[in-house]
Amino acid sequence: KAGVTQTPRYLIKTRGQQVTLSCSPISGHRSVSWYQQTPGQGLQFLFEYFSETQRNKGNFPGRFSGRQFSNSRSEMNVSTLELGDSALYLCASSFLGNIQYFGAGTRLSVL
Amino acid sequence: KQEVTQIPAALSVPEGENLVLNCSFTDSAIYNLQWFRQDPGKGLTSLLLIQSSQREQTSGRLNASLDKSSGRSTLYIAASQPGDSATYLCAVRPLLQGAQKLVFGQGTRLTINP
Repeated sequence: KAGVTQTPRYLIKTRGQQVTLSCSPISGHRSVSWYQQTPGQGLQFLFEYFSETQRNKGNFPGRFSGRQFSNSRSEMNVSTLELGDSALYLCASSFLGNIQYFGAGTRLSVL
Repeated sequence: KQEVTQIPAALSVPEGENLVLNCSFTDSAIYNLQWFRQDPGKGLTSLLLIQSSQREQTSGRLNASLDKSSGRSTLYIAASQPGDSATYLCAVRPLLQGAQKLVFGQGTRLTINP
């Protein structure tokens, strides 16, 4: 069974641009969560989607948004990028609330 | 607000030693606790998950314990090997209905010296 797939693996953007990251969960998993990892703040929860509905949201500004499609694939979007948005963005999927399986992440660099 | 703390932040030991990594959390209302491993620049690999009703879980050379009432968990690694070098993270899932949110500690960076 394929694991969680995140694309792209690396992105370089400039301030003010927007970016879209993609996550394909493990087959059969309906819950997808997103996390931001930075050296200073560690891993922080962004939001979680289940059956195309956002169930929970972390303390991030409205520039961070996401969605989930009917096939459980999820995207997150960051608009008006800031230097502080440079981070590793991780996606995780789970089945019935148990083990969360993480993808390899997308490393975003904002210049 | 749930907070998770991992001590020490870094640990270096010679190969073959048994070691313990510590994790503490401030709110005992958790659904489960999960230990992860992260290699540099990579994603997270799940090692062990302990449900709130359980006291411990074992997988190979790894054993994780949970004392929910005191807000503590430990990860025991037996007979450490250089390949165990990585950052180890613990995360709790708060007891919020339907929420998959994990709250992470800052991790312990483990180095096993050959």
